Amino acid sequence: QKEVEQDPGPLSVPEGAIVSLNCTYSNSAFQYFMWYRQYSRKGPELLMYTYSSGNKEDGRFTAQVDKSSKYISLFIRDSQPSDSATYLCASQGAQKLVFGQGTRLTINP
Amino acid sequence: DGGITQSPKYLFRKEGQNVTLSCEQNLNHDAMYWYRQDPGQGLRLIYYSQIVNDFQKGDIAEGYSVSREKKESFPLTVTSAQKNPTAFYLCASSSSPSGWAYNEQFFGPGTRLTVL
Repeated sequence: QKEVEQDPGPLSVPEGAIVSLNCTYSNSAFQYFMWYRQYSRKGPELLMYTYSSGNKEDGRFTAQVDKSSKYISLFIRDSQPSDSATYLCASQGAQKLVFGQGTRLTINP
Repeated sequence: DGGITQSPKYLFRKEGQNVTLSCEQNLNHDAMYWYRQDPGQGLRLIYYSQIVNDFQKGDIAEGYSVSREKKESFPLTVTSAQKNPTAFYLCASSSSPSGWAYNEQFFGPGTRLTVL
């Protein structure tokens, strides 16, 4: 079993829709959780991170962690075609990050 | 501009050949990492280094080798022992790995390796 599981999709939604991306994790020691965005043929870039349980908002993006169910979510409001990318969730392990498989998202105009 | 550079962007190799991928950073980061990315599998850690002249195997180190002679450089060699080397390779760096504390990793643009 992978320590961080993520549905690889692909996921395709119309412009303006609310997008929900989800991951689960198995290691109770994880405290920090990240979302990276990766455009095609580019390196990933950090979108946002959260510590422990709770929500964090940054513009149209909201990250949510529920440690009781070991569930990580990213919500995108008013989705735009420029949001089309692969989204990777990750958790901070001992000296290294543990990544999910990534979800490929397409926003259709 | 501070950042991570990887070269070349595209690399073609014949079967049985070793090839070295370059990664350089000018962020003054202590730690550097190599990942392999295949479709539908996310990022898998090959090797990482927390300090000069020291490195550790990641989850898929077989068929790869690294060196860390300088703080800013962490080259990856894909050897002929790597059974399926065609993939997208990403290099990353971070400031100071400290156990389980948050430690943002910054990624380079990647090298796409194709074995012919």
